[in-house]
Amino acid sequence: DIVMTQTPLSLPVTPGQPASISCKSSQSLLHSGGETYLYWYLQKPGQSPQLLIYEVSNRFSGVPDRFSGSGSGTDFTLKISRVEAEDVGVYYCMQSIQLPWTFGQGTKVEIK
Amino acid sequence: QVQLVESGGGVVQPGGSLRLSCAASGFTFSSYGMHWVRQAPGKGLEWVAFIRYDGSNKYYADSVKGRFTISRDSSKNTLYLHMTSLRADDTAVYYCAKTLGYCSGGSCYPYFDYWGQGTLVTVSS
Repeated sequence: DIVMTQTPLSLPVTPGQPASISCKSSQSLLHSGGETYLYWYLQKPGQSPQLLIYEVSNRFSGVPDRFSGSGSGTDFTLKISRVEAEDVGVYYCMQSIQLPWTFGQGTKVEIK
Repeated sequence: QVQLVESGGGVVQPGGSLRLSCAASGFTFSSYGMHWVRQAPGKGLEWVAFIRYDGSNKYYADSVKGRFTISRDSSKNTLYLHMTSLRADDTAVYYCAKTLGYCSGGSCYPYFDYWGQGTLVTVSS
């Protein structure tokens, strides 16, 4: 199975400041067809997960442009340019290049 | 808008069975693959099962293979998860999720664009 490793696991943030989460996969997520199957989700407290970013860097419909994704191969990053109070929750990366589709262990973002 | 509403969770004894349902609306159910994803209490997300849009292929996590069966009824816009031989470590909130992405040949590269609110399954004596 592909192991997804996120760092840090806990991230205290100050509103208005940037934040960054790393996700590393145990195998490359680059498909021979050129796509990279790496996704980011946010699970706000008491809610279901919601899709933020698909295929490394594409924001899903309605996702604010303060969220951005980058990376390639096995190393990926989610960045929040200016954290807002509504961004608290647990962020998960996920891969779907190979079964079973696996998630990172989650990064809990909270306001300082 | 897309709505996914799970039901059927509850408390079941080890070795027992349960069937979860997910009622879908707001999109053409018969055109999309669907998943079950679970989350044990205080833990992260674990993909459980996937069924293609037409039911032609089904995929399972090793942890549930042979015990869980995913199915769908497009006439009812409903996704199911039939769970048997339940164990304590199956205790979790079970989410259904609509898929995007694509399948080519025998391989699929999905992701989840909409999730239900989840239903809690507790396996305990």
